Amino acid sequence: GDSVTQMEGPVTLSEEAFLTINCTYTATGYPSLFWYVQYPGEGLQLLLKATKADDKGSNKGFEATYRKETTSFHLEKGSVQVSDSAVYFCALSPMNRDDKIIFGKGTRLHILP
Amino acid sequence: DAGVIQSPRHEVTEMGQEVTLRCKPISGHDYLFWYRQTMMRGLELLIYFNNNVPIDDSGMPEDRFSAKMPNASFSTLKIQPSEPRDSAVYFCASRRSGQGLDEQFFGPGTRLTVL
Repeated sequence: GDSVTQMEGPVTLSEEAFLTINCTYTATGYPSLFWYVQYPGEGLQLLLKATKADDKGSNKGFEATYRKETTSFHLEKGSVQVSDSAVYFCALSPMNRDDKIIFGKGTRLHILP
Repeated sequence: DAGVIQSPRHEVTEMGQEVTLRCKPISGHDYLFWYRQTMMRGLELLIYFNNNVPIDDSGMPEDRFSAKMPNASFSTLKIQPSEPRDSAVYFCASRRSGQGLDEQFFGPGTRLTVL
């Protein structure tokens, strides 16, 4: 079945460091891909998304590119801030199916000042 | 748009008591999801509805858990009797069906503590 695998955390970085959180997926066809972010004490919220191969989603300085050949959707940011400390979830929505979104297990990110 | 509304935000109860969590989805959304989040197990999908009908309840841990959606604007998740291992944050989410409309919107969650 469809699934999402993302790197385990926690990931700890210093402010202004470069961030990569790896995500790979298993699905038929061309699912939509998402990154959600959960700040402390809050629900998940959509950070960015991509709906077809080679699309790049971006928001708040974060980027992720839909790579069909490697079935990946890695999250990157060039210079992280303390306020980026949160849990990040990679997710997919199966192609041509109005159905549930499949979430990865989440990666906790700590940014040190 | 008020977003997904959940109540209560915090609930503390004693083992054996009945607990009812409530959710109001975003108007016009026809899918509603209930999730549970713990440190040990992460984010788990418990059950979801489409047009008020339960579609998949395979994530409901046991018969002590039940969920209803009597109309398009209201859903409940009930635990009876509650146990300490049910302590978690419970999230409700909703979305609208249709191509390109697959983003899920989450509520702020209900933090449940069972003593």
